[in-house]
Amino acid sequence: KNQVEQSPQSLIILEGKNCTLQCNYTVSPFSNLRWYKQDTGRGPVSLTIMTFSENTKSNGRYTATLDADTKQSSLHITASQLSDSASYICVVKTTGTASKLTFGTGTRLQVTL
Amino acid sequence: NAGVTQTPKFRVLKTGQSMTLLCAQDMNHEYMYWYRQDPGMGLRLIHYSVGEGTTAKGEVPDGYNVSRLKKQNFLLGLESAAPSQTSVYFCASSASQPNYGYTFGSGTRLTVV
Repeated sequence: KNQVEQSPQSLIILEGKNCTLQCNYTVSPFSNLRWYKQDTGRGPVSLTIMTFSENTKSNGRYTATLDADTKQSSLHITASQLSDSASYICVVKTTGTASKLTFGTGTRLQVTL
Repeated sequence: NAGVTQTPKFRVLKTGQSMTLLCAQDMNHEYMYWYRQDPGMGLRLIHYSVGEGTTAKGEVPDGYNVSRLKKQNFLLGLESAAPSQTSVYFCASSASQPNYGYTFGSGTRLTVV
């Protein structure tokens, strides 16, 4: 069964600290892996998209890594800010005519003073 | 540049009532999608469209119908609402390229009582 599992479910960190969110997937055939940020009451917003050949991609203070061999990805947030408080969702896309997105349930991050 | 606009933002329905959720995009995207988001679950695809006049079923299509009469609009209909359809509904659009990101609307929170 194609699945995307994220950990931890929730996380609280102090402003200015770094954190890393994890994503493991069993989805195949693999096309790309995406990280989205979803603020409360809003739709998901794309942070990064990585294909099989990419193992690191950055977007400002967000850096995503991908290990396609072990089917693992991580999202590292540097020097966190209060505005980083959100859910972060890992999404894997399959290839082919039946291409689809499989969404993880997200990690809820709270950044506090 | 509005992106993806969903209306209404909130709605309460009685069991058995019908309604239509509207989605409009101004990015000239070919593909459009309807998802639902429920607590503790990843987003699940209801229906999608790969072009004007075309629609297809996703993972959870039962109880919903869709239409795409114009390229920029994608409508989601509930014929006879049930409490199980209480959810947050997101519309998204994308270009046809496989590594193109999805742009999501801000969602419609629907409660069926």
